[in-house]
Amino acid sequence: NAGVMQNPRHLVRRRGQEARLRCSPMKGHSHVYWYRQLPEEGLKFMVYLQKENIIDESGMPKERFSAEFPKEGPSILRIQQVVRGDSAAYFCASSPWASGSWNEQFFGPGTRLTVL
Amino acid sequence: KQEVTQIPAALSVPEGENLVLNCSFTDSAIYNLQWFRQDPGKGLTSLLLIQSSQREQTSGRLNASLDKSSGRSTLYIAASQPGDSATYLCAVISYNWSNDYKLSFGAGTTVTVRA
Repeated sequence: NAGVMQNPRHLVRRRGQEARLRCSPMKGHSHVYWYRQLPEEGLKFMVYLQKENIIDESGMPKERFSAEFPKEGPSILRIQQVVRGDSAAYFCASSPWASGSWNEQFFGPGTRLTVL
Repeated sequence: KQEVTQIPAALSVPEGENLVLNCSFTDSAIYNLQWFRQDPGKGLTSLLLIQSSQREQTSGRLNASLDKSSGRSTLYIAASQPGDSATYLCAVISYNWSNDYKLSFGAGTTVTVRA
């Protein structure tokens, strides 16, 4: 059973370009979470999704950032018109679903975004 | 809002010494607390998960304690080895009013074990 997969592992973009980060959850997991880790800081929650639905996006910047988790295919975190401050490691985690209870999140290896 | 602090930010010890890593959190109404290991350029590996009703959890050379009332957890690593060199992250799991569980992470303690 493969773990959470993220690609690309490293992404370099110039200011103003778009960045697309992909996350494939573990088999059988229907919930995906995105986190951002800035240098010397802890992981910060961005968004929580289940298939075709955003559950909680309270950690997402108001502009330029969007996320989706379609019925088929990976979850995508999209950053439009990237700026240098977007340079960070972006981690995806997935969990199975069980109503009303906590489910452990399993983390992917991350995508390291560098904006030139 | 839950704030998680880890002290020290970095630690360097000779091989064989015991490690003590501290984590404090501001809101004691937590669900669980989890310790992770992060290697450079890699993802997170879960080490120990302590439920709020527990006071400690052990796995091999690792022991984590939890004192909810004082908002503290400590990770002990006995007889450290160079392979223990990594960043250790503390994450507090809380239930919020939007009916989901949130992980709040500390900034981590970077450990170097010298051979």
